[in-house]
Amino acid sequence: NAGVTQTPKFQVLKTGQSMTLQCAQDMNHNSMYWYRQDPGMGLRLIYYSASEGTTDKGEVPNGYNVSRLNKREFSLRLESAAPSQTSVYFCASSETPGTTEAFFGQGTRLTVV
Amino acid sequence: GQSLEQPSEVTAVEGAIVQINCTYQTSGFYGLSWYQQHDGGAPTFLSYNALDGLEETGRFSSFLSRSDSYGYLLLQELQMKDSASYFCAVRLGDSSYKLIFGSGTRLLVRP
Repeated sequence: NAGVTQTPKFQVLKTGQSMTLQCAQDMNHNSMYWYRQDPGMGLRLIYYSASEGTTDKGEVPNGYNVSRLNKREFSLRLESAAPSQTSVYFCASSETPGTTEAFFGQGTRLTVV
Repeated sequence: GQSLEQPSEVTAVEGAIVQINCTYQTSGFYGLSWYQQHDGGAPTFLSYNALDGLEETGRFSSFLSRSDSYGYLLLQELQMKDSASYFCAVRLGDSSYKLIFGSGTRLLVRP
């Protein structure tokens, strides 16, 4: 049982390049989340999807877009990468919007040069 | 806006007890969770409090006081493997149920 799978695990981008971070969960969860983690800043919510077909902004959505492709998959897109987007990105899922426990993927370490 | 405050670092001795506090100011409140994250790893769920009081799970306990907007995580019989970062997280009580995290407390357990 893989849980939450993120690809890629590592990525280096040049400023202005675009890329999509992929996330898939096999737990039949309804809700999915994208967070970024910077040193000393904890986890900050970028976007989330309460259920298939819905997405909403989190705390730091600027510079990002998301797609809830189906119930399993939730992708995060950087249209024009900036050095300020250098971070570790985590995808997470929970059974329902109000479920207490969220399950996290192993993260994508992104460097923008 | 939302804010969750935690101490940035705590140091304790192996076998001891340590308490990590969390105060929050959020637009609505549905519950307080705690997550553990080892260096280079992903956050993993530890505990959850929706109502006031103490919840115990093995060596870990979590407490919540909604009237004080305050909670804590209590770790007993500390082991070296408990060295990690600990995050409190609030499930917002508005219709979004967003999960918002604090900045984390880095716990160092010394021999």
